[in-house]
Amino acid sequence: EPEVTQTPSHQVTQMGQEVILRCVPISNHLYFYWYRQILGQKVEFLVSFYNNEISEKSEIFDDQFSVERPDGSNFTLKIRSTKLEDSAMYFCASSSLSGAFNEQFFGPGTRLTVL
Amino acid sequence: KNEVEQSPQNLTAQEGEFITINCSYSVGISALHWLQQHPGGGIVSLFMLSSGKKKHGRLIATINIQEKHSSLHITASHPRDSAVYICAVRNTLIQGAQKLVFGQGTRLTINP
Repeated sequence: EPEVTQTPSHQVTQMGQEVILRCVPISNHLYFYWYRQILGQKVEFLVSFYNNEISEKSEIFDDQFSVERPDGSNFTLKIRSTKLEDSAMYFCASSSLSGAFNEQFFGPGTRLTVL
Repeated sequence: KNEVEQSPQNLTAQEGEFITINCSYSVGISALHWLQQHPGGGIVSLFMLSSGKKKHGRLIATINIQEKHSSLHITASHPRDSAVYICAVRNTLIQGAQKLVFGQGTRLTINP
């Protein structure tokens, strides 16, 4: 069964460093998402991406964040200068359709620890 | 006020018990998702529904659009059902909105 994959599973970095989190969505999907979950808190939306551009972003997704689909298969989230509060689980998701009835499929997550 | 509220926050039960987890939401929605999150952190989609009821194995999900309420039921619960169950909604009444808005989750523990 097709699935969303994410790498790495765990990333440890120093504050101020850049990190790139990678996702490979399901191959025929067209809509891509990043969510994050700070330990002990609920999952929060970061950004959605369609047709090579951001379709929606939350207030969390500031200038330190960027997303890219560099090669038609990978979907990346970059954090330019990490802060302690960026420590969280980051989930990628994808869906094949827009609208009310599309189902989003989640990757296993990348646990980011900023020291 | 949170747009999506779940109850209870924590639930402990004995193996075999019938489990109900509730979700209430305050926005107009077009779809509601029930998700399962295991201790390792990964999220698995259980159901997506916009009306009525869906069943998959021992899991049943219902939604009442008028009352803005959904329930997830587990029959004959088993220790392997222990996980965090999350309700999430999509408000496509807002043009272009594809994001999911999540509840805080219900931590379910089933003891043998």
